[in-house]
Amino acid sequence: AQTVTQSQPEMSVQEAETVTLSCTYDTSESDYYLFWYKQPPSRQMILVIRQEAYKQQNATENRFSVNFQKAAKSFSLKISDSQLGDAAMYFCAYRSGWEGGGADGLTFGKGTHLIIQP
Amino acid sequence: GAGVSQSPSNKVTEKGKDVELRCDPISGHTALYWYRQSLGQGLEFLIYFQGNSAPDKSGLPSDRFSAERTGGSVSTLTIQRTQQEDSAVYLCASSLAPGKGYTFGSGTRLTVV
Repeated sequence: AQTVTQSQPEMSVQEAETVTLSCTYDTSESDYYLFWYKQPPSRQMILVIRQEAYKQQNATENRFSVNFQKAAKSFSLKISDSQLGDAAMYFCAYRSGWEGGGADGLTFGKGTHLIIQP
Repeated sequence: GAGVSQSPSNKVTEKGKDVELRCDPISGHTALYWYRQSLGQGLEFLIYFQGNSAPDKSGLPSDRFSAERTGGSVSTLTIQRTQQEDSAVYLCASSLAPGKGYTFGSGTRLTVV
């Protein structure tokens, strides 16, 4: 079974600075997808960024980028120019690339609480 | 609709009562998932529907939990004889395709007193 580990229960960063949230995962599969989700107090999980394992290029979405190290099974999220609206819980998630893997949906880490200091 | 809709937003129930939680996925999304998020925890997979196929119930924690999806669209999660440990946020998500990401609803916060 796949596992996702987020070793930082909480992180704090000054507004406008850069912060990196770490995520490692364990899998024996070669084809899979990785995601970062943001969960503000409204509870809704919002997709921040996704990465396909077969793509070597790191995904980027505006101020959000990932450092995907497939051999190390690491998938960290970098947030540049942090804004107050970035404050939330951030969850790393894994999904098998195998079509039948849909039965398990996403495997989530326990989350990192990101605090933005004004 | 534009997003995944869940109702009710909050539910307080007495121990031993049955509750029904509703999820209305994005139109055209064939995959639907239910997750449970307990306080301070990540998300725990409960059940998965793909189109009109039989659901994968492997994540349901006990036989008090059941779910159905009518017409390949709206889904209802039912918890019978609720217990205090059932208190959590129940999140629903739908997906157009497995690797495309999932759109989540805002969840139902269930409190069993």
